[in-house]
Amino acid sequence: SQLAEENLWALSVHEGESVTVNCSYKTSITALQWYRQKSGEGPAQLILIRSNEREKRNGRLRATLDTSSQSSSLSITATRCEDTAVYFCATVPGTGGYKVVFGSGTRLLVSP
Amino acid sequence: NAGVIQTPRHKVTGKGQEATLWCEPISGHSAVFWYRQTIVQGLEFLTYFRNQAPIDDSGMPKERFSAQMPNQSHSTLKIQSTQPQDSAVYLCASSLDYSGNTLYFGEGSRLIVV
Repeated sequence: SQLAEENLWALSVHEGESVTVNCSYKTSITALQWYRQKSGEGPAQLILIRSNEREKRNGRLRATLDTSSQSSSLSITATRCEDTAVYFCATVPGTGGYKVVFGSGTRLLVSP
Repeated sequence: NAGVIQTPRHKVTGKGQEATLWCEPISGHSAVFWYRQTIVQGLEFLTYFRNQAPIDDSGMPKERFSAQMPNQSHSTLKIQSTQPQDSAVYLCASSLDYSGNTLYFGEGSRLIVV
């Protein structure tokens, strides 16, 4: 089973709306990462949130982390068509680890 | 910063042929990762180099896959006797440090085995 997993396979919103992608994970972590992958590109990291942080922002993006429930969320406000992509959460299990484990991703479609 | 460069972007090979994929990591980065991406399996870890040394190849199918990093500026992933199930996007990533906290991915090499 996946060590990190997004809760929904796909989401669809209209431009300007806000959207939240949720993720749950199963191991102890030092940090959780959110990546975005657009069609034909490799994943690009959006936010890294460490285990001692509860919230992190990057422009229109906001990530939260709840280590007690082993869950995280990524919120995007004022969505744009160019936010259309697959969003992954990813973890590096344990301390001193390096093997980043990705969830299966949530496909977000932002339509005009 | 040119980013991670992968070549070729697309490769079609016949069943049983060999395929070699190249990766140029970001200059100054200490770690290189290879992942395979398919619709069914998602992003799967293949192998990891730290300062050119192979550290973990636990994700590599043992018999036909091999990876090398002969110098700091490039890594190769070689697949011998390719099979249709090897069809995937192969992604290379580099990281400034060893932690895996931030991976910079290339655009990937799409391999199709017919």
